[in-house]
Amino acid sequence: AQTVTQSQPEMSVQEAETVTLSCTYDTSESDYYLFWYKQPPSRQMILVIRQEAYKQQNATENRFSVNFQKAAKSFSLKISDSQLGDAAMYFCAYRATEGNEKLTFGTGTRLTIIP
Amino acid sequence: DAGVIQSPRHEVTEMGQEVTLRCKPISGHNSLFWYRQTMMRGLELLIYFNNNVPIDDSGMPEDRFSAKMPNASFSTLKIQPSEPRDSAVYFCASSPYTSGANVLTFGAGSRLTVL
Repeated sequence: AQTVTQSQPEMSVQEAETVTLSCTYDTSESDYYLFWYKQPPSRQMILVIRQEAYKQQNATENRFSVNFQKAAKSFSLKISDSQLGDAAMYFCAYRATEGNEKLTFGTGTRLTIIP
Repeated sequence: DAGVIQSPRHEVTEMGQEVTLRCKPISGHNSLFWYRQTMMRGLELLIYFNNNVPIDDSGMPEDRFSAKMPNASFSTLKIQPSEPRDSAVYFCASSPYTSGANVLTFGAGSRLTVL
């Protein structure tokens, strides 16, 4: 079974600085998808970024980028120029490309932005 | 696009009562997921449907929980009888069943409190 581990329950960063959230996962599959979701206090789950495992290039969405290390099964999220609106819970998630379509989530990292 | 619509947003009920949560997926999405979020267990999949057919219900806690998807635009999650330990936020999500897409879009969640 696939598992997703987020070892940082809480992180904080100064506004305008850069922060990296860690995620590791375990799978025997060679192709899959990885995601970062953001959950602000409104509790809405919002997709931040996704990565296809077959792509070597790291995904980027504006201030958000990932460092995908397939061999190490690591998928970290980097947030540049942190803003107050980035304060939220961040969840890393795994999804297989074949078979079961479910998303398997990590336990989340609570990110605090310090003004 | 109105997104995934869930109702009610909040539900407070007494132990032993029946609870029905409702979800309208995004039009054209073939897959529908019910997740439960608690502090202790995080985000866990309860059940998911593909083309209205239940595919994986291994996360349904016990017989008190049931889910239906009578058509492509509506699903229900029912708890009967409810217990205090069922208190949680219940999320519905939908996804297009096409290779390469695989992005789950979540509703705003239904917060259930069982007294």
